[in-house]
Amino acid sequence: QITLKESGPTLVKPTQTLTLTCTFSGFSLSTSGVGVGWIRQPPGKALEWLALIYWDDDNRYRPSLRSRLTITKDTSKNLVVLTMTNMDPVDTATYYCAHFLVDRRQFDYWGQGTLVTVSS
Amino acid sequence: DIQMTQSPSSLSASVGDRVTITCRASQSISTYLNWCQQKPGQAPKLLISAASSLQSGVPSRFSGSGSGTDFTLTISSLQPEDFATYYCQQSYSTPFTFGPGTKVDIK
Repeated sequence: QITLKESGPTLVKPTQTLTLTCTFSGFSLSTSGVGVGWIRQPPGKALEWLALIYWDDDNRYRPSLRSRLTITKDTSKNLVVLTMTNMDPVDTATYYCAHFLVDRRQFDYWGQGTLVTVSS
Repeated sequence: DIQMTQSPSSLSASVGDRVTITCRASQSISTYLNWCQQKPGQAPKLLISAASSLQSGVPSRFSGSGSGTDFTLTISSLQPEDFATYYCQQSYSTPFTFGPGTKVDIK
């Protein structure tokens, strides 16, 4: 059974760096054809894909946020970390991590999400 | 970026109604189109991948079709648990993009 759970601060100040951790079970990020992605959702708004890391350490980022995002993985600890620098109130959102199947190109399992508020 | 649009943005329907939601991509995405359902306060749930492939455990009243730029999600007989917001998402190329959502509520 695949499960994912996001963790991190619920409140960050403008200009600070956000660090979110996705801890997962039921699969290994060393298995070919697997990835973990991050998607966010501002309150009352639509979903927005942010980043994806593959089993082979390849990664992809949303171009408009590329300079602010870093995604890494620790295969031995079954976790993926997303950092976002220079946070702004517009980054207030629920942040989700999700399991990605490369051959089917689908986010098939999602974490419960974590709400991050950016405010001074 | 590939832009995704959905119509309608919201609809009101009754239990037992047939509901159709349309999704359009700004360029051809073959069948790299997924549909997910989101209920208030919950994470999205994948319903359909590759335009028409129903995920395991998803009721057969849900179906998807289309290819290229135009896609549809159909609920053949709306059930109380289907009242939610539905998003399409293209996985043809990064950045992956989602539609703005279609909220289905009770008439």
